[in-house]
Amino acid sequence: EIVLTQSPGTLSLSPGERATLSCRASQSVSSISYLAWYQQIPGQAPRLLIYGASNRATGVPDRFSGSGSGTDFTLTISRLEPEDFAVYYCQHYGTSSLYTFGQGTKLEIK
Amino acid sequence: EVQMLQSGAEVKKPGESLRISCKGSGYSFTSHWIGWVRQMPGKGLEWMGIIHPGNSDTRNRPSFQGQATMSADKSISTAYLQWSSLEASDTGMYYCARRHSTGWNFDVWGRGTLVTVSS
Repeated sequence: EIVLTQSPGTLSLSPGERATLSCRASQSVSSISYLAWYQQIPGQAPRLLIYGASNRATGVPDRFSGSGSGTDFTLTISRLEPEDFAVYYCQHYGTSSLYTFGQGTKLEIK
Repeated sequence: EVQMLQSGAEVKKPGESLRISCKGSGYSFTSHWIGWVRQMPGKGLEWMGIIHPGNSDTRNRPSFQGQATMSADKSISTAYLQWSSLEASDTGMYYCARRHSTGWNFDVWGRGTLVTVSS
């Protein structure tokens, strides 16, 4: 079973700054199609942001981008808006363990 | 608009039974698997299992096997998660989510059902 480790645990930035969030898999993923990112605003349900490592879900602003391959994946927010401060989770699909989430990165206002 | 409408918050005592629901609308209910995700207070997301509403085929995360049971009634486009005997450790928010057509992630989420188990 692949384990996803996200870093940092908490990221403190100001609106307008660039955010870079990391998701590292314990072994190389067999396809980048299997890697997704979600945003969870406090008190709300998770929302799919990125699927297939780099594809934005419907309605997701283009300041969000995803990249990576192998074991290392990144979610980048180019210019932070106030509504972007939330917890972000990466998720992997595997044929044995099916769906695995990382532990999350909290993006907070500095 | 695709929506997953979940039932309201529940407060139960240890040992009691419970069934929570998730109604899909705005799409063909039997065309997408539905997943259940637990979030314990202040913690991250844990996938529990998925169910195919068309034939009730299920896949469970091994660590959740036997803890809660998934079911579905396609005639009313509703999926269920139920417990026969709740424990305090079952306290948490439970989300249902529609599996994306690719099968590799979840594209539409319900707002969650908060389950509190306390004596």
